[in-house]
Amino acid sequence: KQEVTQIPAALSVPEGENLVLNCSFTDSAIYNLQWFRQDPGKGLTSLLLIQSSQREQTSGRLNASLDKSSGRSTLYIAASQPGDSATYLCAVKVSNDKVIFGPGTSLSVIP
Amino acid sequence: DTAVSQTPKYLVTQMGNDKSIKCEQNLGHDTMYWYKQDSKKFLKIMFSYNNKELIINETVPNRFSPKSPDKAHLNLHINSLELGDSAVYFCASSRTGRGNTEAFFGQGTRLTVV
Repeated sequence: KQEVTQIPAALSVPEGENLVLNCSFTDSAIYNLQWFRQDPGKGLTSLLLIQSSQREQTSGRLNASLDKSSGRSTLYIAASQPGDSATYLCAVKVSNDKVIFGPGTSLSVIP
Repeated sequence: DTAVSQTPKYLVTQMGNDKSIKCEQNLGHDTMYWYKQDSKKFLKIMFSYNNKELIINETVPNRFSPKSPDKAHLNLHINSLELGDSAVYFCASSRTGRGNTEAFFGQGTRLTVV
């Protein structure tokens, strides 16, 4: 059974710092991995998707990596801004019809 | 254009009532999902529908029933609502298969049972 964990559960950094969020999954047989952002009281916004054959994806200040063999993904945020404050969720697609989420990392960027 | 839309955004109702939440996607995806986000903010899959067939049902009480009139819609019906059903419910859709099958989510429906 696939389990997804995220470390840390919460993170507070001063503005301008680079930071890394971690996601681990127990079964390496995944279709893809997706990183989402959720603002309080809002829906989920897709940030990056890494296909199982890929090692990383980049979008602006965000870079996500995938190491399937070790069951790990990281989301790197460069030069953090207060507007980056949100909960970040990773999700793995394990079959045609199933996407499993981690518990999320709550990020607070202090001005 | 909203890719995945669900209505209503907020729903307050009394215990024992029956209610429905609607979801529509205009992305041409062939798989739709319902997720429940509890008070601890953990997202748990409830159902997925692929080509109008229920694929998975994650030990959800049978008071919950998804209904898909067509590939673009997956509505969630809840009978005999209980206090513990209070949560935020998210609809999502994606293409079937591996690779670049990005999942898109609606804005959520906050259900409060009183």
